[in-house]
Amino acid sequence: EAQVTQNPRYLITVTGKKLTVTCSQNMNHEYMSWYRQDPGLGLRQIYYSMNVEVTDKGDVPEGYKVSRKEKRNFPLILESPSPNQTSLYFCASSVRDRYNEQFFGPGTRLTVL
Amino acid sequence: EDQVTQSPEALRLQEGESSSLNCSYTVSGLRGLFWYRQDPGKGPEFLFTLYSAGEEKEKERLKATLTKKESFLHITAPKPEDSATYLCAVQAFQTGANNLFFGTGTRLTVIP
Repeated sequence: EAQVTQNPRYLITVTGKKLTVTCSQNMNHEYMSWYRQDPGLGLRQIYYSMNVEVTDKGDVPEGYKVSRKEKRNFPLILESPSPNQTSLYFCASSVRDRYNEQFFGPGTRLTVL
Repeated sequence: EDQVTQSPEALRLQEGESSSLNCSYTVSGLRGLFWYRQDPGKGPEFLFTLYSAGEEKEKERLKATLTKKESFLHITAPKPEDSATYLCAVQAFQTGANNLFFGTGTRLTVIP
């Protein structure tokens, strides 16, 4: 089954404790991205990757890091999480140049205390 | 500044009661407008792409239309399984092709 998987689905952590949210897709998509979804603000792009070893900032990249060492995986790293990073996070992927048709993962709900 | 406004924020319909959701946008040069559906606890799922005013797309009970300032998602004779949040997103020529600007959605509830 074609899908984007994220782990963990739920995470409660404390300020400053480094964490990684994993994202994997099995569709051989070149493009992958991370979004956060907050009430009243809609989905906002954090980082994206056009292909292996090619990443770039989205609209709200502060406090986040990413890497793309393999085509299927695109982890999101929070080196020192803060409460304002409490949010619902989505990973998405698509075929290159069909960015409108992104496949989204199920989401990771992160709470930073 | 690019802006997408969706209305209403929430809509409750009786099963079979047709209605429309609105997505108005302000963008300098529209490359495309997209509709997604998001079920509770899940990620958004792509529905439609519209590129030019006058264009229409249909899928089952849903029909999306586009004008120069807004898009409508018409729902004909909805069923309870159509209950979801519907998101609208725009893509502008001025920003990167991968940069989608999302609205905050309309939460639709269809009552049996």
